[in-house]
Amino acid sequence: DQQVKQNSPSLSVQEGRISILNCDYTNSMFDYFLWYKKYPAEGPTFLISISSIKDKNEDGRFTVFLNKSAKHLSLHIVPSQPGDSAVYFCAASAQRGSQGNLIFGKGTKLSVKP
Amino acid sequence: KAGVTQTPRYLIKTRGQQVTLSCSPISGHRSVSWYQQTPGQGLQFLFEYFSETQRNKGNFPGRFSGRQFSNSRSEMNVSTLELGDSALYLCASSPMGPTINTEAFFGQGTRLTVV
Repeated sequence: DQQVKQNSPSLSVQEGRISILNCDYTNSMFDYFLWYKKYPAEGPTFLISISSIKDKNEDGRFTVFLNKSAKHLSLHIVPSQPGDSAVYFCAASAQRGSQGNLIFGKGTKLSVKP
Repeated sequence: KAGVTQTPRYLIKTRGQQVTLSCSPISGHRSVSWYQQTPGQGLQFLFEYFSETQRNKGNFPGRFSGRQFSNSRSEMNVSTLELGDSALYLCASSPMGPTINTEAFFGQGTRLTVV
């Protein structure tokens, strides 16, 4: 039973356009969500996070939106750059109780074409 | 500040053998988590250690075990290796201090190949 789902295994976008990566979750106990970016042969790198008390968090070109009623979050990258090409993982945790483990989606491979 | 260090980077083992992987967290971080990444399953949580105690465990067989030392360094052990254990094993550390929402910082991983 997958608690965090990224239904698009891949996404291709033109440089300069917007990239939208989606993530759905099933566990209503999740209250903290993160996006990680991963290049081949490297560990995931933290990108941006959002707490369940917010519906939007922005950091430069990256914005994460959270829709709690739909149990859905999305990552917007504007404008997309070729260096953004990587696998993006959505992750969630239930911080109440601070269990410390993250539940990851299977990732979406983003390709940004020049 | 040094990042999360995992050793070795690459490892080839034979079925039935056992293996130990090492992780040194970021200085001052007390929580260390281990994840397994495979092409079909993505990143799957193995276990988390905090102050030398296993605080949470994922859904993996008992062949997978770990421990954490007083300096927060952690080791992960897999016994009786199977071909399906071939994966990238990632370690992540986080402070788990007063701030409740903190991200985990990952190492580069250990690529284990079982032949």
